[in-house]
Amino acid sequence: GENVEQHPSTLSVQEGDSAVIKCTYSDSASNYFPWYKQELGKRPQLIIDIRSNVGEKKDQRIAVTLNKTAKHFSLHITETQPEDSAVYFCAKGAGSYQLTFGKGTKLSVIP
Amino acid sequence: NAGVMQNPRHLVRRRGQEARLRCSPMKGHSHVYWYRQLPEEGLKFMVYLQKENIIDESGMPKERFSAEFPKEGPSILRIQQVVRGDSAAYFCASSPGAGPSNQPQHFGDGTRLSIL
Repeated sequence: GENVEQHPSTLSVQEGDSAVIKCTYSDSASNYFPWYKQELGKRPQLIIDIRSNVGEKKDQRIAVTLNKTAKHFSLHITETQPEDSAVYFCAKGAGSYQLTFGKGTKLSVIP
Repeated sequence: NAGVMQNPRHLVRRRGQEARLRCSPMKGHSHVYWYRQLPEEGLKFMVYLQKENIIDESGMPKERFSAEFPKEGPSILRIQQVVRGDSAAYFCASSPGAGPSNQPQHFGDGTRLSIL
């Protein structure tokens, strides 16, 4: 119940299309779900997060949905741009601190 | 407001040497976390510290690895007698406090450790 499964591992989309990345988990304790964007050689940057008391959160072109019953959460990027190209990591946290990360999705936005 | 500062950015060591990685949290943050990232993988939790206390070191190997966060100065991740398998990027993150304030965690630029 500790891992987070993230799919797909690679994703290519045309500029302007939408991208969706999905993560699943199996424990019941997790209540915090952040998404990080990491460009090559750089730090992971938090782009959006959601807590288990809400089902959806949106910030401009980025949205996250959470289905706690089914134990999955997804990142949605609309109107993709070349600068969205990066590796995206989902993560989950329970209680106070430790984050468990997925293995990442390499997103390529083709101009 | 400076972010999480890590140094050095790159560190090269020969097998058997010691590696010291430093992390200064964001201003106002008293909680520090260390993660390790292997190429093309996610980050794996190593240790969580508050000032002068190790709260959880369950992700850190029991031998050769140690961490501290003294009352004054940065947090230090120390790897003794390094081996090739220690080559990775080591990221530090910080947060303001406990409970819900623990999140989100903000990351530094990492230290890329290479073992020759």
